[in-house]
Amino acid sequence: DQQVKQNSPSLSVQEGRISILNCDYTNSMFDYFLWYKKYPAEGPTFLISISSIKDKNEDGRFTVFLNKSAKHLSLHIVPSQPGDSAVYFCAASWTTDSWGKLQFGAGTQVVVTP
Amino acid sequence: DGGITQSPKYLFRKEGQNVTLSCEQNLNHDAMYWYRQDPGQGLRLIYYSQIVNDFQKGDIAEGYSVSREKKESFPLTVTSAQKNPTAFYLCASSRGRGIYSNQPQHFGDGTRLSIL
Repeated sequence: DQQVKQNSPSLSVQEGRISILNCDYTNSMFDYFLWYKKYPAEGPTFLISISSIKDKNEDGRFTVFLNKSAKHLSLHIVPSQPGDSAVYFCAASWTTDSWGKLQFGAGTQVVVTP
Repeated sequence: DGGITQSPKYLFRKEGQNVTLSCEQNLNHDAMYWYRQDPGQGLRLIYYSQIVNDFQKGDIAEGYSVSREKKESFPLTVTSAQKNPTAFYLCASSRGRGIYSNQPQHFGDGTRLSIL
């Protein structure tokens, strides 16, 4: 049973515009959420995270929003650049588990067009 | 530069063979993890370890084995009991549990295993 879901397998966006990636989760115990970016044949690279005590976290062009009541988080990339073309994974964990295990979504392929 | 090194990048296995994938980190991280990625799917946890000489099964441990004899190393063996071993395998590490449990995992560049 997949506890973290990314329902959009792909997203195409024009360079300079906003990319919005969505992620839903089912386990209410999750309290730490992360976004990773992955290029083909490489490992995922950590982008940004958010704790459940916050509803927004920003880092440069990347902002993550968390809506705990809806069990939903989103990643905004503004402005989108050609180098942002990659697969983005949403991940979640619960700190009381204390093992740091992550549950991953299936990923969203982002293509930034000129 | 600190990081996670996985080797080899590509690996081919004959049916019935065991193969071992290497993972080394010099980040001084306590926790290490192995994931498997299949096309169109997210990463699935195979095994994880928080401390030397201790490891736990993840969600899909059947057909795999690990060891953690050194803090820096967490090799994964894909045994002949794993019926569908063709996949992209990723190793990760993090600072670990407790006050560090809200720390991101850092990944190696993966090993692609194929069956001949």
